[in-house]
Amino acid sequence: QVQLVQSGAEVKKPGASVKVSCKVSGYTFISYGINWVRQAPGQGLEWMGWISPYDGNTKYDQRLQGRVTMTTDTSTSTAYMELRKLRSDDTAVYYCARGSPNDYWGQGTLVTVSS
Amino acid sequence: EIVLTQSPGTLSLSPGERATLSCRASQSVPSRYLAWYQQKPGQAPRLLIYGSSSRATGIPDRFSGSGSGTDFTLTISRLEPEDFAVYYCQQYGSSPWTFGQGTKVEIK
Repeated sequence: QVQLVQSGAEVKKPGASVKVSCKVSGYTFISYGINWVRQAPGQGLEWMGWISPYDGNTKYDQRLQGRVTMTTDTSTSTAYMELRKLRSDDTAVYYCARGSPNDYWGQGTLVTVSS
Repeated sequence: EIVLTQSPGTLSLSPGERATLSCRASQSVPSRYLAWYQQKPGQAPRLLIYGSSSRATGIPDRFSGSGSGTDFTLTISRLEPEDFAVYYCQQYGSSPWTFGQGTKVEIK
């Protein structure tokens, strides 16, 4: 069965970086893009970007451009999302999701940014 | 960027009633790139509808989607207790992909 398993919760200080992983199983990794979506506490869903594990092509939301990098490791079927220069309003649950539309989702990773 | 506006913000209904949720886009969205998701507290979203009207695997037929252009609708024909949740529409045809702000369906 298709599974996306994300890394555990993180607590970071403002200005730091965080890297969240998403290990997939149950399908051919390079056949589907991976999206990253975040959700601030009590808020809606915000698309952050997309990466193709096949060729590494990426699309990022312009509001995050320059602070976010998405990568993949095809040898381990893992996608990564790194967010730099963290601010308090980056506190959110971060999800990876397969394909467009997003038919399978990871369980979410809570990233808390606090001094 | 395509802005999706969902209405109403909250829908208060009883089990067995019909729910009609609206998603309006700031510019035309090809029907094949409009999806609906359900999210329950503490859970990841779940894909319900893609291509504006196709049900995802395992989704009961009480959920249906329709619409075209800038106006899309999710209908739940008869609400079951497990259907009380937040629903989001999403367009994935034009980058950045965007979500609506959500409609909460609550028990009246």
